[in-house]
Amino acid sequence: AQSVTQLDSQVPVFEEAPVELRCNYSSSVSVYLFWYVQYPNQGLQLLLKYLSGSTLVKGINGFEAEFNKSQTSFHLRKPSVHISDTAEYFCAVSVYAGNMLTFGGGTRLMVKP
Amino acid sequence: DADVTQTPRNRITKTGKRIMLECSQTKGHDRMYWYRQDPGLGLQLIYYSFDVKDINKGEISDGYSVSRQAQAKFSLSLESAIPNQTALYFCATSETTGLGADTQYFGPGTRLTVL
Repeated sequence: AQSVTQLDSQVPVFEEAPVELRCNYSSSVSVYLFWYVQYPNQGLQLLLKYLSGSTLVKGINGFEAEFNKSQTSFHLRKPSVHISDTAEYFCAVSVYAGNMLTFGGGTRLMVKP
Repeated sequence: DADVTQTPRNRITKTGKRIMLECSQTKGHDRMYWYRQDPGLGLQLIYYSFDVKDINKGEISDGYSVSRQAQAKFSLSLESAIPNQTALYFCATSETTGLGADTQYFGPGTRLTVL
């Protein structure tokens, strides 16, 4: 079975500052990796996903994530955040054999003016 | 119009009552899912369906049942609601690509409170 740990439940940051949201996973088989974002009172939407190939993945709204197999991590970064990035961010994994997502507990990003 | 809709959006019910949450999609996807979200726990899979005749239990199916009435409709039932089923419930859909990395598309959620 696989598991996902998001190391920070909340991350406060000032507008225009850089941010990193951390995600570590555990799995005995190869996985696909995802970041989803949930804006207030909305469902989740895909931010980016890693399938294979380049370990640096670019997503929507200026976010990117880097897959590190040796450290089993998939941290999400943005060089300069905006107030509109305030949301909850979820890291998730699925294994090659199926499409079931296992989610981390979520990180609430709070961007302050 | 939204591609994945959920009704109701909010519901308050009492312990022991039967309740049904409904999900409809216009994306034409074959796979549908029900999740519940609890603070700090992320989303946990309740049931999933790969097509109308293929329904499977997820990690937390106890106390829940589902019905896939058509490709576009997937309902979640709580036969006898209990307070610890108070949560935010999400429906999601995906299209089979065979790659195991299909993007899931989520509805806006149903906030359920069981008193």
